[in-house]
Amino acid sequence: RKEVEQDPGPFNVPEGATVAFNCTYSNSASQSFFWYRQDCRKEPKLLMSVYSSGNEDGRFTAQLNRASQYISLLIRDSKLSDSATYLCVVNDAGNQFYFGTGTSLTVIP
Amino acid sequence: DGGITQSPKYLFRKEGQNVTLSCEQNLNHDAMYWYRQDPGQGLRLIYYSQIVNDFQKGDIAEGYSVSREKKESFPLTVTSAQKNPTAFYLCASSTGLVGADEQFFGPGTRLTVL
Repeated sequence: RKEVEQDPGPFNVPEGATVAFNCTYSNSASQSFFWYRQDCRKEPKLLMSVYSSGNEDGRFTAQLNRASQYISLLIRDSKLSDSATYLCVVNDAGNQFYFGTGTSLTVIP
Repeated sequence: DGGITQSPKYLFRKEGQNVTLSCEQNLNHDAMYWYRQDPGQGLRLIYYSQIVNDFQKGDIAEGYSVSREKKESFPLTVTSAQKNPTAFYLCASSTGLVGADEQFFGPGTRLTVL
């Protein structure tokens, strides 16, 4: 079983739509959780960390459910510039980072 | 500005040749990592190092070697033993504090074996 699993998509949504991504992780001892954004042929960049209490940054909301071992990312009012691949990343107590395969999002005009 | 640099950006090599990819960081991070990414796939860990002069194999270490002689530098050698080396290679670093924080990535090296 993979450490981190994501629906690869692709998600094709119109501008202004709300879209949600989910990610599950297998290690209940995982310590930290992140969403990264990766543009085509570029390196991943941190979008936001995910805290137990949930956190919001503008149009982006991330939530963590430790009991069910999943992480979610909600994007409201999608922009064309949101088109990218979104990576779910989990950090374990041994300081290794585990990456999902990514979810591809295309926002259509 | 602090950050991670990787060189070269694009690299071509002939089959049977070893090649070394450079990774340097000036973030004063203890931990450094090498990943490989193939088209349509996630990042797979090759090697990581949590401290100078120490490193551990990741999930796909066969055919690769690393060194960590300085805190700032973590070069990766792709040897001729690596059966399918064409890929996008990403170097990353973090503070190394357990469960603490994010990884920062370099811009990557795209290796093509001819």
